[in-house]
Amino acid sequence: SQQGEEDPQALSIQEGENATMNCSYKTSINNLQWYRQNSGRGLVHLILIRSNEREKHSGRLRVTLDTSKKSSSLLITASRAADTASYFCAPGNDYKLSFGAGTTVTVRA
Amino acid sequence: EAGVAQSPRYKIIEKRQSVAFWCNPISGHATLYWYQQILGQGPKLLIQFQNNGVVDDSQLPKDRFSAERLKGVDSTLKIQPAKLEDSAVYLCASSLSTTNEKLFFGSGTQLSVL
Repeated sequence: SQQGEEDPQALSIQEGENATMNCSYKTSINNLQWYRQNSGRGLVHLILIRSNEREKHSGRLRVTLDTSKKSSSLLITASRAADTASYFCAPGNDYKLSFGAGTTVTVRA
Repeated sequence: EAGVAQSPRYKIIEKRQSVAFWCNPISGHATLYWYQQILGQGPKLLIQFQNNGVVDDSQLPKDRFSAERLKGVDSTLKIQPAKLEDSAVYLCASSLSTTNEKLFFGSGTQLSVL
């Protein structure tokens, strides 16, 4: 299946700490995308990393991709209460984009 | 830039009734998606349009679900008749890309089937 699997399922951290979540997938991909979903809202695109890239940064986000291990990680540095949300990885190619079950992140004040 | 608009925001129906959801994508976006998100799960693709043609409807329960994209812009998703297990959030998304990159999502329609 192309669907990504996020790990852990849930994560609780203190404000200011870093949050790391991982994604594993099984098929070949062109890119891998990460999305955030706040409670009761739609998903918001965070970052896209292409299969020929190993690392990408966007603000407080750092994404890595290891195509040999078929895995990716998302690091959120210096977390804030507003980062409380579910995070989904989406391994993608020209034909399909599938989402995993997500990692629920709770940032405690 | 206006976002993806969906309506209604909430809908409560009884099983065996029919329901329709509407989506207006971002202007100029060629690709439109309907996802079903059951509580605690990730979004599951129901149908994907490119302009007004269907790209993927492999997971659409075609005996009860139907969707159309009018003139390659707005789209409606219909369920007839609804079952209890259809209770979920129905998310519409659109993308400028034709290769499934950077999707913009609406806020969704929360459907409760009683």
